[in-house]
Amino acid sequence: KNQVEQSPQSLIILEGKNCTLQCNYTVSPFSNLRWYKQDTGRGPVSLTIMTFSENTKSNGRYTATLDADTKQSSLHITASQLSDSASYICVVSAWNNDMRFGAGTRLTVKP
Amino acid sequence: NAGVMQNPRHLVRRRGQEARLRCSPMKGHSHVYWYRQLPEEGLKFMVYLQKENIIDESGMPKERFSAEFPKEGPSILRIQQVVRGDSAAYFCASSPPRLASTDTQYFGPGTRLTVL
Repeated sequence: KNQVEQSPQSLIILEGKNCTLQCNYTVSPFSNLRWYKQDTGRGPVSLTIMTFSENTKSNGRYTATLDADTKQSSLHITASQLSDSASYICVVSAWNNDMRFGAGTRLTVKP
Repeated sequence: NAGVMQNPRHLVRRRGQEARLRCSPMKGHSHVYWYRQLPEEGLKFMVYLQKENIIDESGMPKERFSAEFPKEGPSILRIQQVVRGDSAAYFCASSPPRLASTDTQYFGPGTRLTVL
């Protein structure tokens, strides 16, 4: 069983709408959680990094939250744009730098 | 400051041939990671290397796959006797000498391997 589960698997929204992507993990001991954006045919690009003590981190229209107690994170995208269409990958690291990747959420923003 | 570079971007091989994928990390980065992404699937860790040293190869298939990061030159992921199931995108990432909790990995554009 994957130690990082993302939901939904795919999502279609209209341009301008908001959306929230979920990431649940069982990686332990927890060190940090990263959200990456991967455009089709490109390498992943880091959006946010959060450590144990951080509850929220923003990067423009992207806001990530972390609840280390329930081992859940979310990525909220505000006022979506067509260029937000991509896969969003949650990556959780343990203290030994062992990294576990979620399978990603495929977001499609339609005009 | 150039980012992580990978070449070739696309590679076509016939079954049984060898595939060599190259990765040049960002300037100042001495740690390299290789990942494989099968179609419609997430990234899967393969191997983590420092210069002249394999740190973690727990994600690497035991046979046909090998990786190196020599003192000079790029990191090489080598796949011998390729099979159709090896068709995937292979991504390389690099990080500073010590991946602190606030550091990030920088990914290359990937090499798309197609095995005919």
